[in-house]
Amino acid sequence: DAGVIQSPRHEVTEMGQEVTLRCKPISGHNSLFWYRQTMMRGLELLIYFNNNVPIDDSGMPEDRFSAKMPNASFSTLKIQPSEPRDSAVYFCASSNRDRITGELFFGEGSRLTVL
Amino acid sequence: SQQGEEDPQALSIQEGENATMNCSYKTSINNLQWYRQNSGRGLVHLILIRSNEREKHSGRLRVTLDTSKKSSSLLITASRAADTASYFCATAPAYSGAGSYQLTFGKGTKLSVIP
Repeated sequence: DAGVIQSPRHEVTEMGQEVTLRCKPISGHNSLFWYRQTMMRGLELLIYFNNNVPIDDSGMPEDRFSAKMPNASFSTLKIQPSEPRDSAVYFCASSNRDRITGELFFGEGSRLTVL
Repeated sequence: SQQGEEDPQALSIQEGENATMNCSYKTSINNLQWYRQNSGRGLVHLILIRSNEREKHSGRLRVTLDTSKKSSSLLITASRAADTASYFCATAPAYSGAGSYQLTFGKGTKLSVIP
């Protein structure tokens, strides 16, 4: 079975540029999460969706960040304009909220460097 | 804000020894989960323990939960070099319904197992 697929794996861009990160969750999963990982702050939940609907975006740092889930098999996280402090590893994770166990399945992450 | 806090931040042991990592949290939980992250990779779920459970085993892993002290421990027995990774605890808040998890992660314990 294919796991959570994220692209790109690495992105280097200059300050002010638009960045789009992509995620394909595991087929059949109905919850999707975007996390950001940095050395200083650890893993932070940015936003999560249930059945393609954003449930809680309180972790989104500011208006420069936006996330969409147009269908059950695709989600994007966009940063516009990007800033050096956005440099981090961004993880997408999915789960089946109908399962009792509720574990998250993570992608391999997108490492973003903003110069 | 971080819910779980792991202790120690880093741990170095010899192959064959046992490794114990601790996690403390602040608010009531539905369950607590442990994840592992190899360098440059995504997180992988290891084990989940519910608030009404005190101990759980999975292979060489043993997890305990003390809700009165708001703490958990992860024990890896007979460690191997391949166990070298960062280990994170994650908590689901007490109001979580089945599968509706909004997990909050700690900053992790970095385990090094020396061959």
